[in-house]
Amino acid sequence: AQKVTQAQTEISVVEKEDVTLDCVYETRDTTYYLFWYKQPPSGELVFLIRRNSFDEQNEISGRYSWNFQKSTSSFNFTITASQVVDSAVYFCALSGDNQGGKLIFGQGTELSVKP
Amino acid sequence: GAVVSQHPSWVICKSGTSVKIECRSLDFQATTMFWYRQFPKQSLMLMATSNEGSKATYEQGVEKDKFLINHASLTLSTLTVTSAHPEDSSFYICSASPQGRAAFFGQGTRLTVV
Repeated sequence: AQKVTQAQTEISVVEKEDVTLDCVYETRDTTYYLFWYKQPPSGELVFLIRRNSFDEQNEISGRYSWNFQKSTSSFNFTITASQVVDSAVYFCALSGDNQGGKLIFGQGTELSVKP
Repeated sequence: GAVVSQHPSWVICKSGTSVKIECRSLDFQATTMFWYRQFPKQSLMLMATSNEGSKATYEQGVEKDKFLINHASLTLSTLTVTSAHPEDSSFYICSASPQGRAAFFGQGTRLTVV
């Protein structure tokens, strides 16, 4: 069975602090895809990144970075120098190779960045 | 990124009535779309997979007669909540994947049944 665990339910930081959101996944597929989405209070889901299981290179996009480690089945997300606009719920998700985009979501981490 | 549009963004309906939600892929064709439901402070749970030209596939525990899905074209899937009750009040959101791998989501529909 596939499963995604985001152990941190809520995180609160002060602006300009760095923050890491943890994501641990379980799957028996050898090929799979991992995602991160941001959900602001408006409810829409904003796509942040997709990573396939064969690409363990870390990725950086501006203040965002992702650390994918197959050895520990983790795909953690770090925001550097956090800003108030980063406040949202962040979801990690998993998709199997042959599921055409069907996603299994983690429980979500609510990030609050205070000024 | 690809654009998925969902309508309406919010709807209030009376108990016992039916509500239709539309999900459109605006710049790509989607043979498959997905419908999720999200209760307050909870994660997104897959309800069903919408297949163009064939029957939808429902997840365990989701009533197919209550949540009718129609995927009549390559750019449109609809979810109809029939005989809605207050417990159906939730956030419904659809997704589609241009190449089967990167899922893009609609804006979501907040349904309130009174």
